[in-house]
Amino acid sequence: QLVLTQSPSASASLGASVKLTCTLSSGHSTYAIAWHQQQPEKGPRYLMKVNSDGSHSKGDGIPDRFSGSSSGAERYLTISSLQSEDEADYYCQTWGTGIRVFGGGTKLTVL
Amino acid sequence: QVQLQESGPGLVKPSETLSLTCNVSGDSISRYYWSWIRQPPGKGLEWIGWIAYISDSGSTNYNPSLKSRVTISVDTSKNQVSLKLSSVTAADTAVYYCARDGGGGHAYFDYWGQGTLVTVSS
Repeated sequence: QLVLTQSPSASASLGASVKLTCTLSSGHSTYAIAWHQQQPEKGPRYLMKVNSDGSHSKGDGIPDRFSGSSSGAERYLTISSLQSEDEADYYCQTWGTGIRVFGGGTKLTVL
Repeated sequence: QVQLQESGPGLVKPSETLSLTCNVSGDSISRYYWSWIRQPPGKGLEWIGWIAYISDSGSTNYNPSLKSRVTISVDTSKNQVSLKLSSVTAADTAVYYCARDGGGGHAYFDYWGQGTLVTVSS
């Protein structure tokens, strides 16, 4: 079964960097994923697609502070030079044969 | 610039059918897949289903947990995607989003609507 696992919460200080993790279920380690950001009281926004080789392609207008990478079954979203507006929920999403799957989301707090 | 706008009743009675429309501008719905996603208050995102209407041929796929109650359709003349969810209960209360879906090996949501809240209550 295709499942994405995310830690429920993360925190980092203003100006620092943070790395969020999304883990693919067993047997799906070659799958690409997408990261989406949801700021408080707003709809989600597409950030980037991350492939199994670590290459990534960002959405329109996404700052260079956001980057993606991969290692095995893990897909990462790194945000550098954290700003207050980066405080949000971050969801990873993938796809299988006809289906779409979301991770449970990580709530990022900027201290 | 692709823009999506959901619309529909904000209040639906239990056992009735929820009906929403997504108006797409800046792109033709015949070029992509289109998905519906929902988010119950305070919870995460749940994919409902997608439709692809490419080359005058439509296909759909639904979340197995909702499949028996969901219908997604398109109106190409209006560039709109519609969602119907039947026999609703309070558990269907959520913000409903439509999103552009790349399909195939690019089946991620690169454009989202702002969402519309639907409350199921008598």
